[in-house]
Amino acid sequence: DVKVTQSSRYLVKRTGEKVFLECVQDMDHENMFWYRQDPGLGLRLIYFSYDVKMKEKGDIPEGYSVSREKKERFSLILESASTNQTSMYLCASTLKFLNTGELFFGEGSRLTVL
Amino acid sequence: AQSVTQLDSHVSVSEGTPVLLRCNYSSSYSPSLFWYVQHPNKGLQLLLKYTSAATLVKGINGFEAEFKKSETSFHLTKPSAHMSDAAEYFCVVSDAPGYSSASKIIFGSGTRLSIRP
Repeated sequence: DVKVTQSSRYLVKRTGEKVFLECVQDMDHENMFWYRQDPGLGLRLIYFSYDVKMKEKGDIPEGYSVSREKKERFSLILESASTNQTSMYLCASTLKFLNTGELFFGEGSRLTVL
Repeated sequence: AQSVTQLDSHVSVSEGTPVLLRCNYSSSYSPSLFWYVQHPNKGLQLLLKYTSAATLVKGINGFEAEFKKSETSFHLTKPSAHMSDAAEYFCVVSDAPGYSSASKIIFGSGTRLSIRP
């Protein structure tokens, strides 16, 4: 089975801190995604990576950056956390060119910024 | 442009009764359609998918969905609800022909399903 692992399930940070959210997948998927989930808003795409060192902005990239130095790992970075970034963050992966909506998700990282 | 609308933000049914979660979509191409389920404090799990084969699609845990092009709908159903079905359900449309692009995967806003004993 595909496994997508988000290393931190729950984090509490202070305003202005730098935050790293890590995601690792074990199925050699080319595509990896970071979504943000808020009540009533569904999932919103922050960033997408289709290959090592390649990235594309999603719908809400402001305040976030990403890093993909290895195929299996995709990191989301909040350079200076703010309270409006309190949310559930979901990482996902999928094979390139294959059923583009068929995503494999991690269990999520719930971030609280005080 | 593509979009997806989940018509109910919350559905409540009694255990043992049928479940209907409604989803309408719009798409410029022949879309792929998906339903995902999310249990509390968990990630999303694929329930079923439609990718231009049979219009009635069967998924896990007894769920199924029917693709109706004339109505642009992809409603999710289950004949008999179980307490373990209580979760959030997301309808997803993707119409990215050829190259995979994340911006062409659109999530609905979700429907919370509650099951009454």
